[in-house]
Amino acid sequence: DSGVTQTPKHLITATGQRVTLRCSPRSGDLSVYWYQQSLDQGLQFLIQYYNGEERAKGNILERFSAQQFPDLHSELNLSSLELGDSALYFCASSVSFSTNEQFFGPGTRLTVL
Amino acid sequence: GNSVTQMEGPVTLSEEAFLTINCTYTATGYPSLFWYVQYPGEGLQLLLKATKADDKGSNKGFEATYRKETTSFHLEKGSVQVSDSAVYFCALFFPTNYGQNFVFGPGTRLSVLP
Repeated sequence: DSGVTQTPKHLITATGQRVTLRCSPRSGDLSVYWYQQSLDQGLQFLIQYYNGEERAKGNILERFSAQQFPDLHSELNLSSLELGDSALYFCASSVSFSTNEQFFGPGTRLTVL
Repeated sequence: GNSVTQMEGPVTLSEEAFLTINCTYTATGYPSLFWYVQYPGEGLQLLLKATKADDKGSNKGFEATYRKETTSFHLEKGSVQVSDSAVYFCALFFPTNYGQNFVFGPGTRLSVLP
């Protein structure tokens, strides 16, 4: 158990809908990362937050957004969902924005029908 | 740009066989290099890491050496077990001005047969 929690574990929705994925980092970790893992594109870094502020951006679509709250949990919002958004979404956390070790949550499996 | 290339899987071995999973990278500067492992139904776990050239990371019988001259970080284990069956990801980390970024390879699925 990494100490990173993600909810829900599974999510099934329809095209065009909007969903919110939630992540709670390890106790004491200030930085949160979001990743998308799909069969055809592997593991893609989406975005990083540190203590409530966006720090780094990867291959995140404009339909996707994220935020980190004062209690350090983070939410990833996915809107106007398409079939191709079906994937595993992982959250990871680390102590600071510059440390090179991160701990992954168990993931949320999103299925868009 | 920064990228990671891994040998394509799946790799199927018999128990106690020798394992090598190749990883090469392209990066500006001097990234840190990692191997992560993903067991079925779980998130990724850090297996080992190396932060500078010639460093050797090791854990649970796995080893990898940071070779700057060949831009490689190959994963090896002398004797695999059925419990090593998983997907292995090579990754590099590089800092940006305000945060950091990880680039992962596509993953290599390993199946170890009893």
